[in-house]
Amino acid sequence: DTGVSQDPRHKITKRGQNVTFRCDPISEHNRLYWYRQTLGQGPEFLTYFQNEAQLEKSRLLSDRFSAERPKGSFSTLEIQRTEQGDSAMYLCASSQDRNYGYTFGSGTRLTVV
Amino acid sequence: TQLLEQSPQFLSIQEGENLTVYCNSSSVFSSLQWYRQEPGEGPVLLVTVVTGGEVKKLKRLTFQFGDARKDSSLHITAAQPGDTGLYLCAGIHTGTASKLTFGTGTRLQVTL
Repeated sequence: DTGVSQDPRHKITKRGQNVTFRCDPISEHNRLYWYRQTLGQGPEFLTYFQNEAQLEKSRLLSDRFSAERPKGSFSTLEIQRTEQGDSAMYLCASSQDRNYGYTFGSGTRLTVV
Repeated sequence: TQLLEQSPQFLSIQEGENLTVYCNSSSVFSSLQWYRQEPGEGPVLLVTVVTGGEVKKLKRLTFQFGDARKDSSLHITAAQPGDTGLYLCAGIHTGTASKLTFGTGTRLQVTL
């Protein structure tokens, strides 16, 4: 296992378009997290899965955002009707226990033009 | 919102100098982690501390968890250019399920 993989690495989209990002966590990890990071800031929590169950969602996650983890393995994050304010780095992380460190992917950098 | 304040926000030092980064909150953590992030990459875990007063060392890096588990520090001895990066503290607050709350970050630049 080579770590957490995210695809694509970069995405440029026009305002109003829908985008979908994929995250493949470390296979033994049952916890998966999505974060968003803007320039000069620390990552902000978006949502958390334990296996296939989405256990927590941030208020940052508006109705235009949806995340799934259908079989408890990979996860997708979809943003509908993108806005310029959605431009950010979207980070996925996985862990095996609440007190273990997270392993982050390299992120997907979204630019909405 | 449970805030994690880091200080300083920016630090530019010369190779060989020592430095300390601080991470403070008004809430108690069940565990706290430090990460380092390079531009365009995800954060990489450096250490996890869970016990109040705990001290962990990683080569020239020393991490300390406060006795009350509300604060932490990262000390780097004899900094090198390879230490350059964004240092992030992140904690799981007592009473929250599992999510990490990240600090505001400290951007360190070490020059020759």
